[in-house]
Amino acid sequence: KQEVTQIPAALSVPEGENLVLNCSFTDSAIYNLQWFRQDPGKGLTSLLLIQSSQREQTSGRLNASLDKSSGRSTLYIAASQPGDSATYLCAVGTGKLIFGQGTTLQVKP
Amino acid sequence: NAGVMQNPRHLVRRRGQEARLRCSPMKGHSHVYWYRQLPEEGLKFMVYLQKENIIDESGMPKERFSAEFPKEGPSILRIQQVVRGDSAAYFCASSPPSGGPYSSTDTQYFGPGTRLTVL
Repeated sequence: KQEVTQIPAALSVPEGENLVLNCSFTDSAIYNLQWFRQDPGKGLTSLLLIQSSQREQTSGRLNASLDKSSGRSTLYIAASQPGDSATYLCAVGTGKLIFGQGTTLQVKP
Repeated sequence: NAGVMQNPRHLVRRRGQEARLRCSPMKGHSHVYWYRQLPEEGLKFMVYLQKENIIDESGMPKERFSAEFPKEGPSILRIQQVVRGDSAAYFCASSPPSGGPYSSTDTQYFGPGTRLTVL
């Protein structure tokens, strides 16, 4: 059974810091891995999708890596801003999306 | 191009009533998914549909829950005889015809959700 774990559960950093969010999964048989952002009371916004054959994807200040063999992905956020404050969700595509519990990020001005 | 639309955004029902949640996928999208987010829990897959077909309902509770995606109109998630434990946020997502959950390029686009409260 596929399980997805995100560490840490919560993170508070001062503005301008670079930070790394971690995601691990137990079964390497995945089609892809997606990172989402969820603001309180809102829906999910897709940030990055990494296909199973890819190692990383970049979008602006965001970079996501995938190591399928070890069951790990990281989301790197450069030069964090208060507007980055949200919950970040990792999801693996296995024929359905299986989500981690999320990392709640607070970036303080 | 409008995103995924869900209505109502908030729904209050008393125990024993029926709840109907609607989802209009993005224009041109043919894959629809429903997810549930219970308080203090993560998002859980419920069902995957294409037009007039349920493809995977492995995450649906066995009783009281049903879903459809008719040829015309929005996808509907129906909960009969609601109980307090059904209180949650229900999200719909869609993906384009070139995608689908068995494709490595499938990007799912989520709606804003319907927050169901059962009194």
